[in-house]
Amino acid sequence: DIQMTQSPSSLSASVGDRVTITCRASQGIRIDLGWYQQKPGKAPKRLIYAASSLQSGVPSRFSGSGSGTEFTLTISSLQPEDFATYYCLQHNSYPHTFGQGTRLEIK
Amino acid sequence: EVQLVESGGGLVKPGGSLRLSCAASGFTFSSSSMNWVRQAPGKGLEWVSYISSSGSYIDYAESVRGRFTISRDNAKNSLSLQMNSLRAEDTAVYYCANIWGSVDYWGQGTLVTVSS
Repeated sequence: DIQMTQSPSSLSASVGDRVTITCRASQGIRIDLGWYQQKPGKAPKRLIYAASSLQSGVPSRFSGSGSGTEFTLTISSLQPEDFATYYCLQHNSYPHTFGQGTRLEIK
Repeated sequence: EVQLVESGGGLVKPGGSLRLSCAASGFTFSSSSMNWVRQAPGKGLEWVSYISSSGSYIDYAESVRGRFTISRDNAKNSLSLQMNSLRAEDTAVYYCANIWGSVDYWGQGTLVTVSS
């Protein structure tokens, strides 16, 4: 199985900050990776698909990069509504696997 | 409007069974692969199972393989998850999701609690 190691597990930041979250795959997954945002009591919402493609309707302050084994999600200027938990998901092979999550909190 | 509506969750004793359903509308269900994803209370997301659009390919997480069975009825736009031999660690909110390609549709989730 492919393991996804996500870091950091938690992060404190301020409105306006630039934030980067990383996922590393235990083996190459090409660009078969998505980034999800989840708020308490809500279903996940995908922000990025195919490693770097912005999901329709998602603000352009979110961006993704990477291929193979290392991937990043960047939020260029944090907004109050961005404080949430973020997950990566690899869908290169089964079983699909999520990263452990990054909880983004207000500093 | 796209809708995925899960049902069938509830309280069940360890060793018991439960069948979850997901009713789909607003997109071409018969052309869509589907997934079940779960989230234990206070924990992260866990992918559970996948079924291809025709039902010809199916896969499971190791944690549920042999106990859970995914199926679909394209004529009824319906996805199911039969869960047998339930354990306390299966307690979670279960989501059905269509997350293939650029599509990202999720249901609101249904809570399954396994407890004596």
